[in-house]
Amino acid sequence: EAQVTQNPRYLITVTGKKLTVTCSQNMNHEYMSWYRQDPGLGLRQIYYSMNVEVTDKGDVPEGYKVSRKEKRNFPLILESPSPNQTSLYFCASRPAGVEVEAFFGQGTRLTVV
Amino acid sequence: GNSVTQMEGPVTLSEEAFLTINCTYTATGYPSLFWYVQYPGEGLQLLLKATKADDKGSNKGFEATYRKETTSFHLEKGSVQVSDSAVYFCALGLYNQGGKLIFGQGTELSVKP
Repeated sequence: EAQVTQNPRYLITVTGKKLTVTCSQNMNHEYMSWYRQDPGLGLRQIYYSMNVEVTDKGDVPEGYKVSRKEKRNFPLILESPSPNQTSLYFCASRPAGVEVEAFFGQGTRLTVV
Repeated sequence: GNSVTQMEGPVTLSEEAFLTINCTYTATGYPSLFWYVQYPGEGLQLLLKATKADDKGSNKGFEATYRKETTSFHLEKGSVQVSDSAVYFCALGLYNQGGKLIFGQGTELSVKP
């Protein structure tokens, strides 16, 4: 089954404790992105990758890192989480080409206390 | 710049009522337009899309027409069901930033029996 898998689904952590949210897709897609969803703001792009070893900042990259060592995986790293990073996070993948839909993971609800 | 504006929710309707969720956009160039749906506790799923002016996207009884003259992509359904209760996101897709999606803030729909 074609899917984007994120882990964990839920995470509560403390300020400053490094964490990684994993994302994996099995569709051989070139493009992958991370979004955060906040009430009243919709989804905003954090980082994106257009292929292996090719990553770049989206609209709200501060406090986040990513890597793309393999085509299928695109982890999101919070080196020193802060409470303003409490949010719902989605990973998405899509083939190259703007007309094609993006496929989303189930989401990771992160709470930083 | 590029942006999407949706009507605010929540929207509460009775079963079999007519649904309209307004969406307008500003964009440079010729983006593709999408409606995504998010059911409780799940990720986003593509509902329908349109890739050029005057295209009509349709799926599961929902329709939306890409209107370049009014920069709109309103979502409609003739007769809603309880199972349509969800959050609906209008989005435009760009060629840059890894096929970035720009989302509206989302509209929560609640359908009562």
